[in-house]
Amino acid sequence: EVRLVESGGTLVQPGGSLRLSCAASGFTFASYSLNWVRQAPGKGLEWLAYIGRGGSPIFYGDAVKGRFTISRDDAKSSLYLQMDSLRDEDTGVYYCTRDSGTTGADDYWGQGTLVTVSS
Amino acid sequence: QSLLTQPPSASGTPGQRVSISCSGSSNIGNVNFNWYQQLPGTAPRLLIYNNYERPAGVPDRFSGSRSGTSASLAITGLQSDDEGDYYCAAWVGVVTSRVFGGGTKLTVL
Repeated sequence: EVRLVESGGTLVQPGGSLRLSCAASGFTFASYSLNWVRQAPGKGLEWLAYIGRGGSPIFYGDAVKGRFTISRDDAKSSLYLQMDSLRDEDTGVYYCTRDSGTTGADDYWGQGTLVTVSS
Repeated sequence: QSLLTQPPSASGTPGQRVSISCSGSSNIGNVNFNWYQQLPGTAPRLLIYNNYERPAGVPDRFSGSRSGTSASLAITGLQSDDEGDYYCAAWVGVVTSRVFGGGTKLTVL
């Protein structure tokens, strides 16, 4: 069974940093590209970042470019999102997703981890 | 202006057929559309990929189509369990970005 389990979400002050993790199991992690997607409270889905197999290519959405860094550790079957210079508008549920490789479809999603940016 | 535009809401009665549109802006180029369903309090799940393909386990009541830079999701035999939010998405090469539509809230009356 494919599983994606996010962790690391918490309350953080504006300007602070946070690192999210996503532990994967049930599939050959190194063979897939991965994404981070978030959802602000009561709002729609927003794509944040993509990382290909072997760690490249990497792409970011405009809202997080220059502040967030996506990375992966294939030996640990884990995906990460380093978030710096956090803003109030970064508050939301953060999902990691597996990219099926077919038209960029996310065929599996984690349950999400909540990040709250507030003073 | 969003690159993918969806109506904010749609509704139907049990058993009916409903359709949700996803209109792409004229400059998005040749893209393929995916659709996601998000039921209340749950993570999204893939409903349709590559415009019309269904992942294993998705009922054939759900179907997708594409015409030019727009797409549609159709749901036949509407059920109360279908109530939730539906999102279209595409990888838009011209901006090297994954783009989601704003989402459509489906209400089963």
